[in-house]
Amino acid sequence: QKEVEQNSGPLSVPEGAIASLNCTYSDRGSQSFFWYRQYSGKSPELIMFIYSNGDKEDGRFTAQLNKASQYVSLLIRDSQPSDSATYLCAVNSGVHAGKSTFGDGTTLTVKP
Amino acid sequence: DAGVIQSPRHEVTEMGQEVTLRCKPISGHNSLFWYRQTMMRGLELLIYFNNNVPIDDSGMPEDRFSAKMPNASFSTLKIQPSEPRDSAVYFCASRDNRGAETQYFGPGTRLLVL
Repeated sequence: QKEVEQNSGPLSVPEGAIASLNCTYSDRGSQSFFWYRQYSGKSPELIMFIYSNGDKEDGRFTAQLNKASQYVSLLIRDSQPSDSATYLCAVNSGVHAGKSTFGDGTTLTVKP
Repeated sequence: DAGVIQSPRHEVTEMGQEVTLRCKPISGHNSLFWYRQTMMRGLELLIYFNNNVPIDDSGMPEDRFSAKMPNASFSTLKIQPSEPRDSAVYFCASRDNRGAETQYFGPGTRLLVL
């Protein structure tokens, strides 16, 4: 079992729809959770991080964390073609632990 | 701030040659990470440093890979000898441990070993 697993994708949604990206992790001691976006040929860039159970909203993006289920998700509302990218889930174990373990990513395509 | 700087951006070499990748982290950041990304294996952490000291090198594939951080503003990742299976994009990232845990990635070095 991989430490961080994401839905394999690719995921395709129409413009204006909600895109839902999911991630599960195996280490119950994980403390910090991140979503990175990576455009083709570019480097990953952080979209959101979440530390506590529940929802965290930032503009059109909402991260959801459920530590009991070892599950973290990212919702993108009003999806735009510019959101088309690969989304990487990353998990740090321990408080301020240095090491991030990344999932393989889910490729999202938003069709106009 | 210029962000994380990596050089070269592209490298094509022949099997058996030595390859050196370079990274300049964001000024003031005290953690530095080297990653490798391939289609088959995704984004893998190779090694990371805190305050110039290697903390975890468990991701370094084998003895052919070595990394150094002689000071807070420079790190190298060396592959000697290189093999075709080392072909990948190598990212360097840095982080300020005193703040949020955000890692800032450099543009990457695309390595092709023939």
